[in-house]
Amino acid sequence: NAGVTQTPKFQVLKTGQSMTLQCAQDMNHNSMYWYRQDPGMGLRLIYYSASEGTTDKGEVPNGYNVSRLNKREFSLRLESAAPSQTSVYFCASSGLAGVAQFFGPGTRLTVL
Amino acid sequence: GDSVTQMEGPVTLSEEAFLTINCTYTATGYPSLFWYVQYPGEGLQLLLKATKADDKGSNKGFEATYRKETTSFHLEKGSVQVSDSAVYFCALIPWAAGNKLTFGGGTRVLVKP
Repeated sequence: NAGVTQTPKFQVLKTGQSMTLQCAQDMNHNSMYWYRQDPGMGLRLIYYSASEGTTDKGEVPNGYNVSRLNKREFSLRLESAAPSQTSVYFCASSGLAGVAQFFGPGTRLTVL
Repeated sequence: GDSVTQMEGPVTLSEEAFLTINCTYTATGYPSLFWYVQYPGEGLQLLLKATKADDKGSNKGFEATYRKETTSFHLEKGSVQVSDSAVYFCALIPWAAGNKLTFGGGTRVLVKP
């Protein structure tokens, strides 16, 4: 049982390049989330998917797109990376409403 | 809107010292409250939780009590170890608002031998 997995672990991009961060969970959870973590700011929600086939914006969605490919997988895409998107990105999943979320190990992204 | 406020770190302690990390929240109704821990280079792990007033969450020697009257959920441990060095996040899920977590800014704790 791997829980929540993320790929890649590290990535360096140049300004304007695009990339997709992958996330998968094997806990049969309905809800999945993407967060970014910046120094001194805690975690901020980028997008979330309450169930397969639905996605909604979080606190900081600008510059990102998401796809809930199936119940297991939730990807985050940066179409044109900017230095302000340098951050650590975490994917999470949860089951029933009000229950805690389970987090992946994170992707450290640097945009030059 | 809903928010969580934590004491700023870093908090530096000696081994076997008592640890308290303050957390207060603003939310309507009765949110569920959580403490997450992030060890260096890792993702967040759920440490403990409480879902209603006066509930006490506990795990690995850590405790926190849901205080509705003071809108607080302070984290405590009686005797810390070097292995407790980490960043601790207080968080809430608003009542009847699905699973969306609102996080505090995190408190870095460093325990020295």
